[in-house]
Amino acid sequence: SYDLTQSPSVSVSPGQTTSITCSGYKLGDKYVSWYQQKSGQSPVLVIYQDNKRPSGIPARFSGSNSENTATLTISGTQTMDEADYYCQTWDSTTALYVFGTGTKVTVL
Amino acid sequence: QVRLVQSGTEVKKPGASVNLSCKTSGYTFTNYYIVWVRQAPGQGLEWMGIINPSGDITTYGQKFQGRVTMTRDTSTSTVNMELSSLTSDDTAVYYCARGIPSYYYFDYWGQGTLVTVSS
Repeated sequence: SYDLTQSPSVSVSPGQTTSITCSGYKLGDKYVSWYQQKSGQSPVLVIYQDNKRPSGIPARFSGSNSENTATLTISGTQTMDEADYYCQTWDSTTALYVFGTGTKVTVL
Repeated sequence: QVRLVQSGTEVKKPGASVNLSCKTSGYTFTNYYIVWVRQAPGQGLEWMGIINPSGDITTYGQKFQGRVTMTRDTSTSTVNMELSSLTSDDTAVYYCARGIPSYYYFDYWGQGTLVTVSS
């Protein structure tokens, strides 16, 4: 099976930049999406196709994907960005979808 | 606007089956996939499977093969998901989401349905 690994947690001060990584074998060859999930709520798509933002997602959210690592960057992190973040991709070998293990972002 | 409205909370006994629904509106039902994702208490997101409403084609995660069935009703733009042989490990919030063909992401999500499996 194909696995995506994320660091469990990251803490950041308001206004700083948050970087969340997602690692997988040859992940750069696949499209990666990112979802934000606040406590008790449904996930929300924040990045798709590696670096595209859906309508309504602030420009402080950006994404990149190369080789074995995809990165979600939150520039000028705000307290409202405190949430769990999940990466996701589709594995063409198995034709199955997979989520990363998730990263909890705490804004102190 | 695009909406996915899921059925209500379920409480089931071990060994039973549960049938969840996801009623869609605001878009052409057959142009997008529907996926099911679950989240056990305090855990991450787990992809269960996907259905293409256009051709009633399904793909299930290996963990759920033989235990999950996804169907669609084009007359009501609704997708149903049945999970059988429930155990306490199936206690989770179950989400449906709209999938984008060929681009592999999920842009709209339902509100989630809590399923509790307990004797």
